[in-house]
Amino acid sequence: EPEVTQTPSHQVTQMGQEVILRCVPISNHLYFYWYRQILGQKVEFLVSFYNNEISEKSEIFDDQFSVERPDGSNFTLKIRSTKLEDSAMYFCASLLLAGKTQYFGPGTRLLVL
Amino acid sequence: DAKTTQPTSMDCAEGRAANLPCNHSTISGNEYVYWYRQIHSQGPQYIIHGLKNNETNEMASLIITEDRKSSTLILPHATLRDTAVYYCIVRVGEYGNKLVFGAGTILRVKS
Repeated sequence: EPEVTQTPSHQVTQMGQEVILRCVPISNHLYFYWYRQILGQKVEFLVSFYNNEISEKSEIFDDQFSVERPDGSNFTLKIRSTKLEDSAMYFCASLLLAGKTQYFGPGTRLLVL
Repeated sequence: DAKTTQPTSMDCAEGRAANLPCNHSTISGNEYVYWYRQIHSQGPQYIIHGLKNNETNEMASLIITEDRKSSTLILPHATLRDTAVYYCIVRVGEYGNKLVFGAGTILRVKS
């Protein structure tokens, strides 16, 4: 069964460093998402991406964040200058068509020191 | 998106049916009810969704009341591996709308 994959599974970085989290959505899916979950808290929406542009973003998704679909398969989340409070699990999700089901990847655990 | 109310936690005996309730009294006519679960810190896993009819798949059944103000997710024969946080989410089905997660229900399946 097709699945969303994410790399790396764990990332440790120093505060102020740039990180890129990578996702390979399910092929032929059209909508892509990033969510995050701080330890012990709810899953929070960050951004959605459709037709090569951001379709919606949350307040969390400030200028330090960016997303890109550099080729036909990858979907990346970049954090330009990481802060301690960016430590969280980051989940990528994809969706074939509006009204259908979002499928989530296993997540990347980001730890900012 | 409409808000949902779920119990904080529930226990279920292994092999018995787990019935997880959800209230969504402000649901709109074009909003679907989705259920996801999250096992430990894994990515949320889709379970089932419905609009107004009851639905069943290989994982679970979804019972939606006639007025659509509440629903129940049924895991017919719960196993220890069903221990997870279960999220009831309502959202407009059209468009690629985001999912808004609440705190969910912690289901503990006990042997």
